[in-house]
Amino acid sequence: QVQLVESGGGLVKPGGSLRLSCAASGFDFNDHYMGWIRQAPGKGLEWIAYMDIRGFDTYYAESVEGRFTISRDNANNSLFLEMKTLRAEDTAVYYCARDSRTKTFDPWGQGTLVTVSS
Amino acid sequence: DIQLTQSPSSLSASVGDRVSFTCQASKDITDYLNWYHQKPGRAPKLLIYDASYLETGVPSRFRGSGSGTHFTFTINSLQPEDIGTYYCQQYDSLPLTFGGGTKVEIK
Repeated sequence: QVQLVESGGGLVKPGGSLRLSCAASGFDFNDHYMGWIRQAPGKGLEWIAYMDIRGFDTYYAESVEGRFTISRDNANNSLFLEMKTLRAEDTAVYYCARDSRTKTFDPWGQGTLVTVSS
Repeated sequence: DIQLTQSPSSLSASVGDRVSFTCQASKDITDYLNWYHQKPGRAPKLLIYDASYLETGVPSRFRGSGSGTHFTFTINSLQPEDIGTYYCQQYDSLPLTFGGGTKVEIK
């Protein structure tokens, strides 16, 4: 079945970096745009990044523009999120999600928790 | 950016009740709206796309309606597994945005 599994979360100090990965299976990864959405503890959902099929076009929320980079490896069915200059307000569960139809996310991975704290 | 305002922020109803809640967009987004359900401790799941189309496998007691700036989500005959938070999401334009959520509880 269609599955997305995130990894790479953890505790990092303010100003630090982290790279999240998302392993996709059960569908043709090369045929889908992909995105990252995050959820701060006890808060709602925030879309943060989106990438086209080939990895040429990327889009970011203003809150992460210039600090986060979305990328993909179609040969290995993987999506990545490189996060730099992390701030306390970046603390959240990060979900990767498949774009099943125009900018509509289904399914989502189980999420990986990123905690930015000294 | 397009703001989505969900109302109410929470509600409590009995099993079997019909419940409805709304999502108001800050500009006309035609029918570029999705609804997701997030159970406690779980990832969100798509229920409704294009404002009113039921995702494959989603029970028919869920219904979405509306267009433009005003949208409604309805659960006919609330079930215990329907608890959690429901989010609307617009895809009319970037940045993609979500509403603040409506939390549904069972009385």
